Amino acid sequence: GENVEQHPSTLSVQEGDSAVIKCTYSDSASNYFPWYKQELGKRPQLIIDIRSNVGEKKDQRIAVTLNKTAKHFSLHITETQPEDSAVYFCAASIGIEAGTALIFGKGTTLSVSS
Amino acid sequence: KAGVTQTPRYLIKTRGQQVTLSCSPISGHRSVSWYQQTPGQGLQFLFEYFSETQRNKGNFPGRFSGRQFSNSRSEMNVSTLELGDSALYLCASSPHGPNYEQYFGPGTRLTVT
Repeated sequence: GENVEQHPSTLSVQEGDSAVIKCTYSDSASNYFPWYKQELGKRPQLIIDIRSNVGEKKDQRIAVTLNKTAKHFSLHITETQPEDSAVYFCAASIGIEAGTALIFGKGTTLSVSS
Repeated sequence: KAGVTQTPRYLIKTRGQQVTLSCSPISGHRSVSWYQQTPGQGLQFLFEYFSETQRNKGNFPGRFSGRQFSNSRSEMNVSTLELGDSALYLCASSPHGPNYEQYFGPGTRLTVT
């Protein structure tokens, strides 16, 4: 079946450093790629998303890049802060039956130390 | 607007029992998706409802079912519970479907003993 691979599974950085998380998807028809942040004991929250007709999108310290040819997309966080510590999930849309669904990567635990 | 709510927040059941979980989406959102979250498998798609119709279903056994009401509130039911059904069940609402911004509820933590 369709899947999304996410790397690395854990990432430790110093405050102020950059963090990069990479995902690869298998369905060439995928056209929507969101990123979610989940803090311990809390619900996943959408932090940024990108559609297949765009190569890059930025929102303050967060950016996402998409390479449709290679079928991979990445999350970039600059000037990391301790409050960025969380689990980050990437996802890709796939078509199923009459609708669409999101297939999620297994997550990356980001730890930012001060 | 009020966020997505789920009830109950915690549930303990015994193998063989059945359970019903509820999700109230953001007002105006017609799409509700359900996910199972476990440490080993991550977030897995269960099914999606839009305007009371199930549009698609993930790779889960028929013991997992759901429905959506005319006010967009959704329920999911799991029958004949197994130990492996222990998980956090999350619902997410969206105006149009999973191909657009989705907002998650806090989840229902189900423990099967």
